[in-house]
Amino acid sequence: ELKVEQNPLFLSMQEGKNYTIYCNYSTTSDRLYWYRQDPGKSLESLFVLLSNGAVKQEGRLMASLDTKARLSTLHITAAVHDLSATYFCAGGAYSGAGSYQLTFGKGTKLSVIP
Amino acid sequence: EAGVTQFPSHSVIEKGQTVTLRCDPISGHDNLYWYRRVMGKEIKFLLHFVKESKQDESGMPNNRFLAERTGGTYSTLKVQPAELEDSGVYFCASSQRPVRGGTEAFFGQGTRLTVV
Repeated sequence: ELKVEQNPLFLSMQEGKNYTIYCNYSTTSDRLYWYRQDPGKSLESLFVLLSNGAVKQEGRLMASLDTKARLSTLHITAAVHDLSATYFCAGGAYSGAGSYQLTFGKGTKLSVIP
Repeated sequence: EAGVTQFPSHSVIEKGQTVTLRCDPISGHDNLYWYRRVMGKEIKFLLHFVKESKQDESGMPNNRFLAERTGGTYSTLKVQPAELEDSGVYFCASSQRPVRGGTEAFFGQGTRLTVV
């Protein structure tokens, strides 16, 4: 059974600083997803990482995947207030019933303060 | 194009009552998923519909939960009778093809269920 652990669970950081959110997963995962959720809003897909060494960047966010270490990171560069949200990573794998499921971490609640 | 919409956004009910959550997927999306996040825990898979058929309901916690998708359009998730531990946020997601095909799953905003 795939398990996904994120850390930290809460992160308060000043504007302009850099930080990394870590996502470890327990067994082979088909691909790794990062989502963002603003309060009361839907989960918004940020990145889908397909293979070892994959790196994707969008604005101040960069995600990477190391399948050998079973680790994905979400790096935040020069944080701005607009990045305040909860970030989830999720691993994808087939269930015993043949359905492709996402297994989520607990989420990292990020607060960027001036 | 409208996204995945869920109703209600928040529901507070007493233990023992019945609640029905509704999800309207994006039009044309055959695949519909229900997930749940209990307070402080991970978002967990509940079940997956392909059109009106249940592809996988391995994540449904017990027989107090009943999901339907009549006609392959919107879906409902009924909890009867509700217990305190059912409190959480229930997410619905839809995709045109199964997620692994590279197709992105689009999530709704969730329904926050509070059982008191």
